[in-house]
Amino acid sequence: VQLVESGGGLVQPGGSLRLSCAASGFTFSDYYMSWIRQTPGKGLEWVANIKPDGSQQFYVDSVKGRFTLSRDNTKNSLYLQMNNVRADDMGVYYCVREAGGRNENWFDPWGQGTLVSVSS
Amino acid sequence: EIVLTQSPATLSLSPGERATLSCRASQSVTDLLAWYQQKPGQAPRLVIYDASNRATGIPPRFSGSGSGTEFTLTISSLEPEDFAVYYCHHRTLWPTFGQGTKLEIK
Repeated sequence: VQLVESGGGLVQPGGSLRLSCAASGFTFSDYYMSWIRQTPGKGLEWVANIKPDGSQQFYVDSVKGRFTLSRDNTKNSLYLQMNNVRADDMGVYYCVREAGGRNENWFDPWGQGTLVSVSS
Repeated sequence: EIVLTQSPATLSLSPGERATLSCRASQSVTDLLAWYQQKPGQAPRLVIYDASNRATGIPPRFSGSGSGTEFTLTISSLEPEDFAVYYCHHRTLWPTFGQGTKLEIK
């Protein structure tokens, strides 16, 4: 099972960035997927997740209306479109599969992360 | 929102010693609690789920216990590779994490 993120980088406040996650080693279309970020200010913070069929997404309040999560099950890929980026969005973004436990919703495994830096 | 409070913030021990890390929830989470290990420069890794179940590949020196609001991660005899930051995590519709306990070599 492997998750590989890409797309991070330097973005200006108010700018946009698109993160991607390539999944392999498991049946991607069977699983909820999440993005989790790690920031100096808030530590680990769940950002958003998406149902296996892509029909519904859930977001933390601080990114609602600015971030959009999507997936392409034909390409085993997950995407996070980040618009109107703010300074407090800066951090490492992890792509994570939801699996394990009786509710099948623990975070396992995690990708290696991609760094988002926000600066003018 | 359920708040998870971990203690201590830093734990200094030597290899071979027993480590006991605590996580307190602001309200009952039954047994819906997990622990993650994060080493420098790496992503977190699931260690314990559903309060007391070891994740795949986790050695038996790791154990989790507790229910309701009080949880413990115990490492029975520390190996050099166990020194890391450990986070507890509760999963509802809005997942939350504790602030972490840094387990460092004394």
